[in-house]
Amino acid sequence: GAVVSQHPSRVICKSGTSVKIECRSLDFQATTMFWYRQFPKQSLMLMATSNEGSKATYEQGVEKDKFLINHASLTLSTLTVTSAHPEDSSFYICSANGGPRTQYFGPGTRLLVL
Amino acid sequence: AQSVTQLGSHVSVSEGALVLLRCNYSSSVPPYLFWYVQYPNQGLQLLLKYTSAATLVKGINGFEAEFKKSETSFHLTKPSAHMSDAAEYFCAVTPNNNDMRFGAGTRLTVKP
Repeated sequence: GAVVSQHPSRVICKSGTSVKIECRSLDFQATTMFWYRQFPKQSLMLMATSNEGSKATYEQGVEKDKFLINHASLTLSTLTVTSAHPEDSSFYICSANGGPRTQYFGPGTRLLVL
Repeated sequence: AQSVTQLGSHVSVSEGALVLLRCNYSSSVPPYLFWYVQYPNQGLQLLLKYTSAATLVKGINGFEAEFKKSETSFHLTKPSAHMSDAAEYFCAVTPNNNDMRFGAGTRLTVKP
């Protein structure tokens, strides 16, 4: 149980295009999901907290207009990287809140912007 | 604010040797602490977590960690390293019921 999936696992796009990444909790409902970003050989940095039915809460320094988050249901949150640029290339990981202080992590999405 | 510090960005051990990965925390309230493992190009897998029930926490793959309040530490250990243990390890703390704060990570290399 407690599986979180992400789609796609890898994506390559041209600079200036938008990319959507999906995060799904497969066997449980999550009112809160989290989006992290991980650069090579670095730790995970929280980008935003996604709450079902309300606006996401972004961490300081994260552009909300560039990283659009939608949490339309209790099992799905999406992250859209708008007008992607090479510096947005990174590993994006989502997690879903599965209980008090319990997060289940997705397998990650590797984004490469050419 | 709660945070964790991992001492040593890279640890190298021989196969069969003791593994010790260090993590110190900073918290004004009793923390919930976690250790995760990450293999290349994969997400995070939970090894174990401390939730104040017991100071010695046993996890998967033979790993364990001991919560020491006097030292504000939560070091990860394994008696005998295996080649398959080579990965990146992250210590983390939850400031509240929501987000999680990660340490910088420690890369474990296991030599044959």
